[in-house]
Amino acid sequence: GAGVSQTPSNKVTEKGKYVELRCDPISGHTALYWYRQSLGQGPEFLIYFQGTGAADDSGLPNDRFFAVRPEGSVSTLKIQRTERGDSAVYLCASSFHSRGTGELFFGEGSRLTVL
Amino acid sequence: EDQVTQSPEALRLQEGESSSLNCSYTVSGLRGLFWYRQDPGKGPEFLFTLYSAGEEKEKERLKATLTKKESFLHITAPKPEDSATYLCAVLGGGADGLTFGKGTHLIIQP
Repeated sequence: GAGVSQTPSNKVTEKGKYVELRCDPISGHTALYWYRQSLGQGPEFLIYFQGTGAADDSGLPNDRFFAVRPEGSVSTLKIQRTERGDSAVYLCASSFHSRGTGELFFGEGSRLTVL
Repeated sequence: EDQVTQSPEALRLQEGESSSLNCSYTVSGLRGLFWYRQDPGKGPEFLFTLYSAGEEKEKERLKATLTKKESFLHITAPKPEDSATYLCAVLGGGADGLTFGKGTHLIIQP
């Protein structure tokens, strides 16, 4: 597709479960970002990849959150031992800029609900 | 710590009624200020980048301006399809990620 693709679009899980969210960026975009957006708030930065490596993971809230991008394209955000406070929309964005840009192409997000 | 405050939180206008949205910011070493539009259930859509005080950008009925402390998004003669949440964000000196405000929810009534 032409845009950033995220799956699943909706995920309902129980507290304590493990969750994976997938992002397929725009072809050729080397930079990939994950953000989290809670209801009524702006997106909050989680992690930035340049190629295969996590160049900046300073926004990850704790060690239950982890993300990978093994081949420099698709990325997976992994959340262990989910908590109710993890409920939010998880947004993925990509860019063709090598670093430090705010001109991002966002996907439609994965809405996570932790019961 | 970079901070972005947007006002008002919500704004309801009649079609054709021009207005402005405000974005106040504090940032260490501004590398760019960004405006996005977000429709319900969608991801943000990039609108503008502003880099330095005095800069202006325009797109259709929207014009963004920047000072050293704030940015304005001016909407001229809006139409119902301009209804959305408008987000402001900054990129600070040492950062890789954007710091977003909470947004302004704009409703244009026909």
